[in-house]
Amino acid sequence: AAGVIQSPRHLIKEKRETATLKCYPIPRHDTVYWYQQGPGQDPQFLISFYEKMQSDKGSIPDRFSAQQFSDYHSELNMSSLELGDSALYFCASSLVRASEAFFGQGTRLTVV
Amino acid sequence: GESVGLHLPTLSVQEGDNSIINCAYSNSASDYFIWYKQESGKGPQFIIDIRSNMDKRQGQRVTVLLNKTVKHLSLQIAATQPGDSAVYFCAENRGGSNYKLTFGKGTLLTVNP
Repeated sequence: AAGVIQSPRHLIKEKRETATLKCYPIPRHDTVYWYQQGPGQDPQFLISFYEKMQSDKGSIPDRFSAQQFSDYHSELNMSSLELGDSALYFCASSLVRASEAFFGQGTRLTVV
Repeated sequence: GESVGLHLPTLSVQEGDNSIINCAYSNSASDYFIWYKQESGKGPQFIIDIRSNMDKRQGQRVTVLLNKTVKHLSLQIAATQPGDSAVYFCAENRGGSNYKLTFGKGTLLTVNP
């Protein structure tokens, strides 16, 4: 069965650079969620989208922005990267009425 | 602030034993709880969920118990296997957006052969 696809799997950026993470949800899923997981930490909710509109917002820095496109894929844009942004970034997708969301394999971002 | 947390950061069991992982939550408005398993370098994997109108739910080798009186959640794994070794997170949905999950601190489960 198709799963949530995230790209790239690994990304290395320098401080003050920008990064774009992509998420392709499971077909027919209309809701996408982004999470950030620091080393040894629990996943922290960043932002979510339903039907291409932002549905909820968590602890997402102002330097980050995200959107969901007409094909339901989502992109997380990160600017002025800081060392502390180094983390695993997970995307999850679900049908808004369903209970279960499925997570992708994550993108490991390393800022040097 | 309100949070979901775990009593024990690590748990080591023998293969074949039963495992119990505990979780405390503080938001009485939470209406949906999920247990996730996360293996190294992978995304969280759904194990089992439970809604606040239930006390117990069983899956294959796993059982989740919810005690709303003391705001406590537990995950029981029967006949633990080496493949169960992973970090386990409890998470709560506090309503609103269907899946704005708040994760607790993970518990590392190690299964010794």
